[in-house]
Amino acid sequence: ILNVEQSPQSLHVQEGDSTNFTCSFPSSNFYALHWYRWETAKSPEALFVMTLNGDEKKKGRISATLNTKEGYSYLYIKGSQPEDSATYLCAFGSGNTGKLIFGQGTTLQVKP
Amino acid sequence: NAGVTQTPKFQVLKTGQSMTLQCAQDMNHEYMSWYRQDPGMGLRLIHYSVGAGITDQGEVPNGYNVSRSTTEDFPLRLLSAAPSQTSVYFCASRPSWAQETQYFGPGTRLLVL
Repeated sequence: ILNVEQSPQSLHVQEGDSTNFTCSFPSSNFYALHWYRWETAKSPEALFVMTLNGDEKKKGRISATLNTKEGYSYLYIKGSQPEDSATYLCAFGSGNTGKLIFGQGTTLQVKP
Repeated sequence: NAGVTQTPKFQVLKTGQSMTLQCAQDMNHEYMSWYRQDPGMGLRLIHYSVGAGITDQGEVPNGYNVSRSTTEDFPLRLLSAAPSQTSVYFCASRPSWAQETQYFGPGTRLLVL
């Protein structure tokens, strides 16, 4: 059974704070790591797809890094805003089936 | 493009009833998946398809059937609904089995009494 773990489970920060979360995944049979942003009452929206060890991706104030050898990825949000409040999901893609195994998510609340 | 569409948005079933959740995409994507979302459990893969005529099981396939007769459609069938199948169901698609951006539908909320 593949295990994808995210920490922390939830996070409350003040507007303007920078924050980061962790996604841990199996280091064997790695194919890709996805990050999604999921707002309440909406569907998950893709942020990044990362495939290479050492990959760094950036979209606005959000960035992510990837370490496939040790099996972790970090998501960073610089200068958090209330509109960043959402659940952030990571998903591990293994082998050649294309299956994605999701973590339970980190729920971020940004207070104005 | 409508993207990924799901119907119905909300459904109430009685235990033992059967129903089909519909999913369609208009992006000519080969790869489609069904997930269920339960509190504290994240998204769990039910079934997936790498192309028309090809389907396979995910993490939690029991009680569900799928078929993929066309590229566009990927219906999920509940054979005999149980209260444990009360959940929010999401369909997703992406261009191929390779790890590319995946797009989710709006979800179907199912309540089984």
